[in-house]
Amino acid sequence: NAGVTQTPKFRVLKTGQSMTLLCAQDMNHEYMYWYRQDPGMGLRLIHYSVGEGTTAKGEVPDGYNVSRLKKQNFLLGLESAAPSQTSVYFCASTARENIQYFGAGTRLSVL
Amino acid sequence: KNEVEQSPQNLTAQEGEFITINCSYSVGISALHWLQQHPGGGIVSLFMLSSGKKKHGRLIATINIQEKHSSLHITASHPRDSAVYICAVRGKGGTSYGKLTFGQGTILTVHP
Repeated sequence: NAGVTQTPKFRVLKTGQSMTLLCAQDMNHEYMYWYRQDPGMGLRLIHYSVGEGTTAKGEVPDGYNVSRLKKQNFLLGLESAAPSQTSVYFCASTARENIQYFGAGTRLSVL
Repeated sequence: KNEVEQSPQNLTAQEGEFITINCSYSVGISALHWLQQHPGGGIVSLFMLSSGKKKHGRLIATINIQEKHSSLHITASHPRDSAVYICAVRGKGGTSYGKLTFGQGTILTVHP
């Protein structure tokens, strides 16, 4: 089992560019989450999904969109990147009310 | 005020010392998680607890629901324990969907 896999691991964007971060899990988990981690702040929830075809907003959803077309994949999109979106992004999944399994993170810089 | 507060923010110890990291929260919860993040690394779940105490190797986690407080203890600390330790709480109710609210983390450095 690979667990939770995030791609890419690093990315540099220019302001206004778009990109998609991919999260894939092979544990048949129902719930998936996207977080961002910034210095001096705790992890903050961007969007989450409780099943295939469903998504919901978290604490800091502005500027991001998500899709969960397949149960194992959760995509995070930035339509028009801004410097404020420079961060480390983590994906996580869980089998309902259990521990969360995290990906290795994606380090994104927006210039 | 943050819903989840950790103390201390930074902690330096000598190898072999007993370490305690504290977490206080202000909301009703269904579970509390302790997580570990090594420098430049991913995040790993250490414990999930809703009452009492759990132990895994040299790590012990306790929770007092009435006082809304949890502690993470490391016995006989080692330099490889150097990491950020994160407390997170899961809210109550059927619409929590496993969502977690995180503390800011405690940076632990253990010197040989």
